[in-house]
Amino acid sequence: KAGVTQTPRYLIKTRGQQVTLSCSPISGHRSVSWYQQTPGQGLQFLFEYFSETQRNKGNFPGRFSGRQFSNSRSEMNVSTLELGDSALYLCASSRTGGETQYFGPGTRLLVL
Amino acid sequence: EDQVTQSPEALRLQEGESSSLNCSYTVSGLRGLFWYRQDPGKGPEFLFTLYSAGEEKEKERLKATLTKKESFLHITAPKPEDSATYLCAVQGSTDSWGKLQFGAGTQVVVTP
Repeated sequence: KAGVTQTPRYLIKTRGQQVTLSCSPISGHRSVSWYQQTPGQGLQFLFEYFSETQRNKGNFPGRFSGRQFSNSRSEMNVSTLELGDSALYLCASSRTGGETQYFGPGTRLLVL
Repeated sequence: EDQVTQSPEALRLQEGESSSLNCSYTVSGLRGLFWYRQDPGKGPEFLFTLYSAGEEKEKERLKATLTKKESFLHITAPKPEDSATYLCAVQGSTDSWGKLQFGAGTQVVVTP
């Protein structure tokens, strides 16, 4: 069974630009969660999507947004990038959002 | 708000030297407690899910246990390939769809 996949794996952007990251969940999983990981703050929850609806959201500014498609694939978007957005962005999937989450390899974003 | 504290922050072990990692948590109703291992630059790899106090799970040299306030990850006779950061996370039962609250992790180094 294929795992969670994320694209791209690496990105370099400059301040003020925007970026879109993609996540394909494990087949049969309908919940997709996004996390930001930095050395200083650790792993922090961004938001979760289920059946194309955002059900839960962490404490991040509105520059961070996402969406989910009918095939459960998800994208997250960060607009007006800041230096502090440099991080490893992780996507995780689970069947319903109430059980074990399985993580993808992450997208490493560097903002210059 | 759900909180997770892991100790120690770092642990250096000789090959074969058993030890335990601690994860203390506060949560409004525990839906699940999760252990992951993470290698540098990679996504977290799932290890165990524990649901109720008294539960124990084992996998090779690892054993996870759960009480009402904390969880322990016991590493028995570790090998160098057990070197990684071990992450503990909880999911509460209130408004927590898809949301894991992570601890800062314990970085384990096992030397030959």
